[in-house]
Amino acid sequence: GAGVSQSPRYKVAKRGQDVALRCDPISGHVSLFWYQQALGQGPEFLTYFQNEAQLDKSGLPSDRFFAERPEGSVSTLKIQRTQQEDSAVYLCASGGRANEQFFGPGTRLTVL
Amino acid sequence: GNSVTQMEGPVTLSEEAFLTINCTYTATGYPSLFWYVQYPGEGLQLLLKATKADDKGSNKGFEATYRKETTSFHLEKGSVQVSDSAVYFCALSAYSSASKIIFGSGTRLSIRP
Repeated sequence: GAGVSQSPRYKVAKRGQDVALRCDPISGHVSLFWYQQALGQGPEFLTYFQNEAQLDKSGLPSDRFFAERPEGSVSTLKIQRTQQEDSAVYLCASGGRANEQFFGPGTRLTVL
Repeated sequence: GNSVTQMEGPVTLSEEAFLTINCTYTATGYPSLFWYVQYPGEGLQLLLKATKADDKGSNKGFEATYRKETTSFHLEKGSVQVSDSAVYFCALSAYSSASKIIFGSGTRLSIRP
């Protein structure tokens, strides 16, 4: 496919469970971003990779959040010991030329 | 820090009406400015962008002009269609190269036939 894909599209977790969200960027895109979008709000930045290097993780809300991109393509966002406030849509975007970012469909996480 | 403030919704208009969604920003330096759109059930899409003062971004009949003197990037369309119903996000990026995007809270637009 030509676009950014994310899986799963929906995830329900019990409070305290660990979750892993996957992002497949557009082939050849060097930059990869994760955002968190709470209901009725705009996306908020979590972290940024250039190839496999995590250059900015200033938006990660706590040390329960961890992201990796070991081979510079697919990325995984992991949330440990999920809490209800983690419920949101998690968006992945990959970057082409200049500063244009292409967004995936998102993973809707619901923590019960 | 950098931020974006946009008109709160929801906004409801009749088909063929004129649309304005206001957006102002706070940023140091010369940010790039964007409008993103999220159609029902779909992902976030770039609608238009402008990278320097007085630039006008345009796409699908929508326009926005980068006004540095008023720190604004208002979205306009002369005649809206039902298919324009969506959530619109104003956004900025501090640098011209890859960097995080800061989004406004979004404006939901509904167009009546």
